[in-house]
Amino acid sequence: GAVVSQHPSRVICKSGTSVKIECRSLDFQATTMFWYRQFPKKSLMLMATSNEGSKATYEQGVEKDKFLINHASLTLSTLTVTSAHPEDSSFYICSARYVGGGDSYEQYFGPGTRLTVT
Amino acid sequence: AQSVTQLGSHVSVSEGALVLLRCNYSSSVPPYLFWYVQYPNQGLQLLLKYTSAATLVKGINDFEAEFKKSETSFHLTKPSAHMSDAAEYFCAVSDPPNTGGFKTIFGAGTRLFVKA
Repeated sequence: GAVVSQHPSRVICKSGTSVKIECRSLDFQATTMFWYRQFPKKSLMLMATSNEGSKATYEQGVEKDKFLINHASLTLSTLTVTSAHPEDSSFYICSARYVGGGDSYEQYFGPGTRLTVT
Repeated sequence: AQSVTQLGSHVSVSEGALVLLRCNYSSSVPPYLFWYVQYPNQGLQLLLKYTSAATLVKGINDFEAEFKKSETSFHLTKPSAHMSDAAEYFCAVSDPPNTGGFKTIFGAGTRLFVKA
């Protein structure tokens, strides 16, 4: 099946620094990738939709200058949390949508990245 | 706008008992519906999906769900719970691709506990 990886799986950073999280589709091409944030014991909140070669579409209430998304290729999207603060600590999950075919509606999820800002 | 409501944030069953996790949706167009499972500190794994074909959908690990349009429901069931089924379960809805939609909206999740 389709595999999506995320790197790193865990990261601890100091307040004020920036952190980059990578999301890769390993065995398929994804024109669209999604970034979610999950608070403890809560559901997934869609942050933004990332389309290859174009600007990301952010959900209402998500600061695009704080959460920078780059979808440089059909297999890689990155999320950079700029000037991180403790309230940015969360579990970040990406997903990738398969290009074309009968399963083009299906999303494949990465294993998530635990960000802790101290 | 689409929405998903999962009834019960926690469900506890005994090993071997029936599992029933409830999900109701709201959608202006015939929806695509999904159930995902999440183990601690991991991403989501697709259990099953409804994409306007058969209303009774079978998934992995003996899970199944039935789409009931009249009740706007998509409840998840499993005849016999295993200890390994203890996890968080999310119901999700999205518009069909031919409507231009692709966003997936997730329910709040239901934590399943399985007692020995």
